[in-house]
Amino acid sequence: EPEVTQTPSHQVTQMGQEVILRCVPISNHLYFYWYRQILGQKVEFLVSFYNNEISEKSEIFDDQFSVERPDGSNFTLKIRSTKLEDSAMYFCAIRTANTGELFFGEGSRLTVL
Amino acid sequence: AQRVTQPEKLLSVFKGAPVELKCNYSYSGSPELFWYVQYSRQRLQLLLRHISRESIKGFTADLNKGETSFHLKKPFAQEEDSAMYYCALSTGANSKLTFGKGITLSVRP
Repeated sequence: EPEVTQTPSHQVTQMGQEVILRCVPISNHLYFYWYRQILGQKVEFLVSFYNNEISEKSEIFDDQFSVERPDGSNFTLKIRSTKLEDSAMYFCAIRTANTGELFFGEGSRLTVL
Repeated sequence: AQRVTQPEKLLSVFKGAPVELKCNYSYSGSPELFWYVQYSRQRLQLLLRHISRESIKGFTADLNKGETSFHLKKPFAQEEDSAMYYCALSTGANSKLTFGKGITLSVRP
C-alpha cells in the first residue's frame, strides 16, 4: 500500500499570511491531487497535477493558490494570502499505477484567524 | 457536469441491523463509482469500486444505471462500521473524483 505523508498536520495562521502545505508520497507516482474539506461540508476537488503540470483545476483554485513539485518528491500547495474561508482540511492524494485507486494522505488542518 | 448526491446526513442503527447508504449520481457518460470510508481520525480509504464487484468488510454496492444509483449495503452492521462514508464518481481513468456530501453511519451496541 502506498504511503502519503502530509505536513503540517495542523497550522494556525493569520489572515493574509502565506501558507505552504506539503505532501510526500513514499513511492513514485505521476498523478497528484489536492482536495479540501471545509468543516461540515463535502470533500471538494481543487487541482490535479500530472507530469509536473496542472492537468485540471476547479473554480476554487484561483490565483491565490499554486502547486508545484520542486524537487521531484514533495508536492506542495501554496495559498498566497489566506482568507478566513480557507480554513479547512486539505487532503493530498496520489493515484496508484496498478489499481488506479486514489490514495489519500491524512490531511492538513488549516485554521485562518 | 457530474454530481453525486447522498441524500441523508446520518444513519443510526443497532448492531446486527441491515444498512443501506444511498448514493445517486448524474453524469451523461459512463462513470466509475466508488465508496470511500473515513474512520475517526483516519484518512479517507477506498472501500469498494463498482468495476471490481467485490465485497469488502461485508459491504456491497451495485451500480444501477437505470436509476443512476450506487447504494452501499451491508446485511448485518457491526459497531466497527461506524464512520463517515462518501460516494464518489470518476469520469475517466485518471480524472478527478467528485464526492458526495457524505453520511455518518453510527452503529450502536
